[in-house]
Amino acid sequence: AQTVTQSQPEMSVQEAETVTLSCTYDTSESDYYLFWYKQPPSRQMILVIRQEAYKQQNATENRFSVNFQKAAKSFSLKISDSQLGDAAMYFCAYKDHGNKLVFGAGTILRVKS
Amino acid sequence: DVKVTQSSRYLVKRTGEKVFLECVQDMDHENMFWYRQDPGLGLRLIYFSYDVKMKEKGDIPEGYSVSREKKERFSLILESASTNQTSMYLCASSLEGIFYEQYFGPGTRLTVT
Repeated sequence: AQTVTQSQPEMSVQEAETVTLSCTYDTSESDYYLFWYKQPPSRQMILVIRQEAYKQQNATENRFSVNFQKAAKSFSLKISDSQLGDAAMYFCAYKDHGNKLVFGAGTILRVKS
Repeated sequence: DVKVTQSSRYLVKRTGEKVFLECVQDMDHENMFWYRQDPGLGLRLIYFSYDVKMKEKGDIPEGYSVSREKKERFSLILESASTNQTSMYLCASSLEGIFYEQYFGPGTRLTVT
């Protein structure tokens, strides 16, 4: 079975600084997607960024980018120029053709002003 | 904008009560999902549905059932609530296909006393 591991229960970053959240996964599939979701306090979970396993180029969405290392099964999220609104729980998730998402345990990100 | 709504944000029920959690999506998505979210465990899939009247068990279906009579509505039923079902329950929906992300509702925090 596929598993997703987020080894950092909590992270802190100073406003305007850069932070990297770690995620590793385990799968024997070759075709899959990886996602980072953001869950702000008391608000709905939203998609931050997605990466297709077949694409070597790392995905980027504004201040958010990933470092996808397929051989190492690693998928980290980098947040540049951190803002107070980035404070949230971040979940790494895996999806293959089974349609189901497999989530990590989450990382709480605190942003200090 | 995709909208996924859940019938209640907060719910308090007594042990042994039958509990209904309702979820509605307005984007004609084929797939709908019910998760429970617990600290340190991330999101765990309870059930999902890929079509009207079709359902599949997720990772933790024990003590739960579901109903999908219309495409836009997916209900989670706790036949006899127990204290270990106290949790945050999240509903999600998505289009069919590996590329598509899931859209989440705001969640229902259920407390069983």
